[in-house]
Amino acid sequence: AQSVTQLDSHVSVSEGTPVLLRCNYSSSYSPSLFWYVQHPNKGLQLLLKYTSAATLVKGINGFEAEFKKSETSFHLTKPSAHMSDAAEYFCVVSDNSGGSYIPTFGRGTSLIVHP
Amino acid sequence: EAGVTQFPSHSVIEKGQTVTLRCDPISGHDNLYWYRRVMGKEIKFLLHFVKESKQDESGMPNNRFLAERTGGTYSTLKVQPAELEDSGVYFCASSHGETQYFGPGTRLLVL
Repeated sequence: AQSVTQLDSHVSVSEGTPVLLRCNYSSSYSPSLFWYVQHPNKGLQLLLKYTSAATLVKGINGFEAEFKKSETSFHLTKPSAHMSDAAEYFCVVSDNSGGSYIPTFGRGTSLIVHP
Repeated sequence: EAGVTQFPSHSVIEKGQTVTLRCDPISGHDNLYWYRRVMGKEIKFLLHFVKESKQDESGMPNNRFLAERTGGTYSTLKVQPAELEDSGVYFCASSHGETQYFGPGTRLLVL
């Protein structure tokens, strides 16, 4: 069984300050982990993914995430927020249990960026 | 390369009517998935096609939902008859391997 918890439903930051979006997961297998972003009226866009290679994963638009097995976490960070980062972010876990990559989504975190 | 496309982008129907959603995956992707997000809830898996075969339909809520993928290309998801609780955003995704690529979704409102 797999599950994912996004600890914050909303995160508010000022432009130019760091972003931290938190995600904890559970999985019976070695999981793959993803972060997706959804801008208003757009589809989900893959930001980055972890698939058992390097634990620090760099994604698009300056985002990165670190896989910490001991803490079962996969938090998303960015050193400096931009107005265009305002969107909803989803943490996703997939562990190939049952032989197929059916992912489990977190509830999403809305990132608000103030000028 | 074109991404995953979905049609229509929005649909407003009355309870009891039928609606058919369409998804065109990325060319060459054998895997096609349907998901749904009800307002305020998380995105939930509905079903998974491998080519034209249903690999996993454990997430389909009830028999009012029918998904097809004739010929292993595009897929349709029909809701008949629609109920109020079917309102939400229906996403389609396709993949060649593990990473799924999502369409923009169809926003369905049942009145």
